[in-house]
Amino acid sequence: ILNVEQSPQSLHVQEGDSTNFTCSFPSSNFYALHWYRWETAKSPEALFVMTLNGDEKKKGRISATLNTKEGYSYLYIKGSQPEDSATYLCAFEDDKIIFGKGTRLHILP
Amino acid sequence: DAEITQSPRHKITETGRQVTLACHQTWNHNNMFWYRQDLGHGLRLIHYSYGVHDTNKGEVSDGYSVSRSNTEDLPLTLESAASSQTSVYFCASSFDRNYGYTFGSGTRLTVV
Repeated sequence: ILNVEQSPQSLHVQEGDSTNFTCSFPSSNFYALHWYRWETAKSPEALFVMTLNGDEKKKGRISATLNTKEGYSYLYIKGSQPEDSATYLCAFEDDKIIFGKGTRLHILP
Repeated sequence: DAEITQSPRHKITETGRQVTLACHQTWNHNNMFWYRQDLGHGLRLIHYSYGVHDTNKGEVSDGYSVSRSNTEDLPLTLESAASSQTSVYFCASSFDRNYGYTFGSGTRLTVV
């Protein structure tokens, strides 16, 4: 059974501060690493799909990096805003996609 | 606009009954997936399909089946519902492996 670990499980961040969290995944049989944003009462929304070691992706204030050799990815949020409050999921893809349990981010006003 | 829809949104059923959850997408995506979401477990893969007549088991497939007779639909059937199958079920689709998933709104199933 593949293990996709996310840390921390939960995070409280002051509005305006920057933050980051981690996804760890198996370093063998790697095809892609996905990041999703999941707001309460909504469906997960795709942020990034990264396939190459060293990939960096950016969407507005959110960015992600990928290290396939050591099996980790970081998601960064710069200047957190209240609308960033959500659960952030990563997912490891070999021949199917397995999700981590997510990091729940709370932005404090 | 293209979309992915799940029905019903909520369902209550009795133990032992057969239940089918519908998933319909108009994205013309080849790949479709069913996940269940439970507290403490996140999203767990039940079944998936990479095209018409293709189906594959995920990590928690026992007690569930799917069939893919066309591109648009991947219905999920619980053969004999059990209380352990009370969960929120999400369907998702994707164009191919380099693209993220598009998720449906979910079906909340309660087995009593």
